[in-house]
Amino acid sequence: NAGVTQTPKFRVLKTGQSMTLLCAQDMNHEYMYWYRQDPGMGLRLIHYSVGEGTTAKGEVPDGYNVSRLKKQNFLLGLESAAPSQTSVYFCASSRRPPFGELFFGEGSRLTVL
Amino acid sequence: DQQVKQNSPSLSVQEGRISILNCDYTNSMFDYFLWYKKYPAEGPTFLISISSIKDKNEDGRFTVFLNKSAKHLSLHIVPSQPGDSAVYFCAASGAGGTSYGKLTFGQGTILTVHP
Repeated sequence: NAGVTQTPKFRVLKTGQSMTLLCAQDMNHEYMYWYRQDPGMGLRLIHYSVGEGTTAKGEVPDGYNVSRLKKQNFLLGLESAAPSQTSVYFCASSRRPPFGELFFGEGSRLTVL
Repeated sequence: DQQVKQNSPSLSVQEGRISILNCDYTNSMFDYFLWYKKYPAEGPTFLISISSIKDKNEDGRFTVFLNKSAKHLSLHIVPSQPGDSAVYFCAASGAGGTSYGKLTFGQGTILTVHP
């Protein structure tokens, strides 16, 4: 009963390096999301996907790219990491609305030096 | 522009007493509201929700109240238990067809329940 799984859990990058966060869900959910959590800011939506092959920008998309090649996977990429991208990243998935409950992964802590 | 606000960063309550967490929103298009609970080093987990057509929803020790005219909702936990100590996030969603399930979150309130 894995639910939403994120890899890696922790990563340290140097400014300018690139990396990809992987999110996998086994609940056959249509919708998937990437959020970032920063102190005092709550969770902010980066990008989301409403189905395989589709992606859309959220509230804070700059500096990130995403892909949804398979229904169960949603990848978040940082092409050139910046210290401002130091954060905890959460992936979530949900059934098609009107059911609003999102299921979250455990988070990926990224530090950019 | 913070559309969902939790103005109390923290709340401390004695075990057995009531915990009341508050949330305000500014966007009148929000029609579905949720509360999430988060423990350290874990992802947020869904706690309770309420649709804008209701003013109250109850689930065991947890009750959410919605005051649409004031654009205010609150979460009541009675009785509070030490295991309830966590960060609580209020979240809101717009009309289902165009919101695509996207949630807008408040900043969170750290609840500490003392034995």
